[in-house]
Amino acid sequence: NAGVTQTPKFQVLKTGQSMTLQCAQDMNHEYMSWYRQDPGMGLRLIHYSVGAGITDQGEVPNGYNVSRSTTEDFPLRLLSAAPSQTSVYFCASSYSTNRADTQYFGPGTRLTVL
Amino acid sequence: QKEVEQDPGPLSVPEGAIVSLNCTYSNSAFQYFMWYRQYSRKGPELLMYTYSSGNKEDGRFTAQVDKSSKYISLFIRDSQPSDSATYLCAMSARRGSTLGRLYFGRGTQLTVWP
Repeated sequence: NAGVTQTPKFQVLKTGQSMTLQCAQDMNHEYMSWYRQDPGMGLRLIHYSVGAGITDQGEVPNGYNVSRSTTEDFPLRLLSAAPSQTSVYFCASSYSTNRADTQYFGPGTRLTVL
Repeated sequence: QKEVEQDPGPLSVPEGAIVSLNCTYSNSAFQYFMWYRQYSRKGPELLMYTYSSGNKEDGRFTAQVDKSSKYISLFIRDSQPSDSATYLCAMSARRGSTLGRLYFGRGTQLTVWP
């Protein structure tokens, strides 16, 4: 199993550009989520999904969209990038919402918005 | 006030020392408590998981929860340079009810020098 994979590893955008961060898992996990990690701020939940076709907002959803068309994939879209979105983004998954505490994290995507 | 408070450190100790990492929280509904370890430029990985109050031991690691004081701790005995990482505490209110919402501390950066 590859676990949770994220692409790209690094990305530089200009203000106003859009892009999609990819996340995939091969563990047949129901629950997937996106976090951002900023210095001194810990991990903050952006969006999450409890299954294909079901998504919901987390703590800091503004400026981001998600969709979950398959169990395996959970892409995060930045609609119009802003410097405040410079961060490290982590995707995570767990077997089900009843076991969401044992989340498996991907390696992260480091995003810089100029 | 953040729901979970954690001193970011940094904490620097010699090899073999006993390390104590702590978090406090304000939400009395939290019942599940976790410690994640994050190596530099990697995703967090689950280290310890406890439910409600009490102690849990796993090798050199001991997790303690004191719900009456809203205080959790992670102890590392005989610390090794390989323990150098950022340690994040996380907690959740109830399996399933918040759809897997984890609340993270900011993380404590630990360095164990030989």
